[in-house]
Amino acid sequence: NAGVMQNPRHLVRRRGQEARLRCSPMKGHSHVYWYRQLPEEGLKFMVYLQKENIIDESGMPKERFSAEFPKEGPSILRIQQVVRGDSAAYFCASSPKKGTEAFFGQGTRLTVV
Amino acid sequence: QQQVKQSPQSLIVQKGGIPIINCAYENTAFDYFPWYQQFPGKGPALLIAIRPDVSEKKEGRFTISFNKSAKQFSLHIMDSQPGDSATYFCAASTQGGSEKLVFGKGTKLTVNP
Repeated sequence: NAGVMQNPRHLVRRRGQEARLRCSPMKGHSHVYWYRQLPEEGLKFMVYLQKENIIDESGMPKERFSAEFPKEGPSILRIQQVVRGDSAAYFCASSPKKGTEAFFGQGTRLTVV
Repeated sequence: QQQVKQSPQSLIVQKGGIPIINCAYENTAFDYFPWYQQFPGKGPALLIAIRPDVSEKKEGRFTISFNKSAKQFSLHIMDSQPGDSATYFCAASTQGGSEKLVFGKGTKLTVNP
């Protein structure tokens, strides 16, 4: 059973471009969570999704950031018009149902130049 | 506002020593307290987790001690090994599982041979 798969592992974008980060949850997992980690910091919750639904997006910046988890395919975290402050590691985690352990992917390291 | 305070920021011990990492929280609604281990360039991996109805939990060389009245919990690593050198994060959530985890800032542990 493959773990949580994130791609790309590293992404470089110029200021103003769009970044798309993908997350394929573990098989049988329908709950997906996105977190952001700044250097020397802990992870900060961004958004919690189930298939086709956003359950909690209280940690998402109000502008430029969006997330989706379609019926088919991976979850996508989209950052429009990236700025240098968006440079961070973005981690996705998945769990089979509410109230259970979540397993993290290896992360996507976004660098905005 | 940091909801989970973790200390120390870094810790160096000799092989065989027992490093102790502490976390304190304010939100009495937290009901799930996991610890994660993260190696450089990797995603966090769940080590051990505890719920407030127990005061201690052991898994292998890792032990969580939980003090509900003091709103504190700690991780002890018995017989530490150089391979335990990593960053450790405590976390908490209010939903009984891994939804919307609030992380501490991490402790970088170095175990010298």
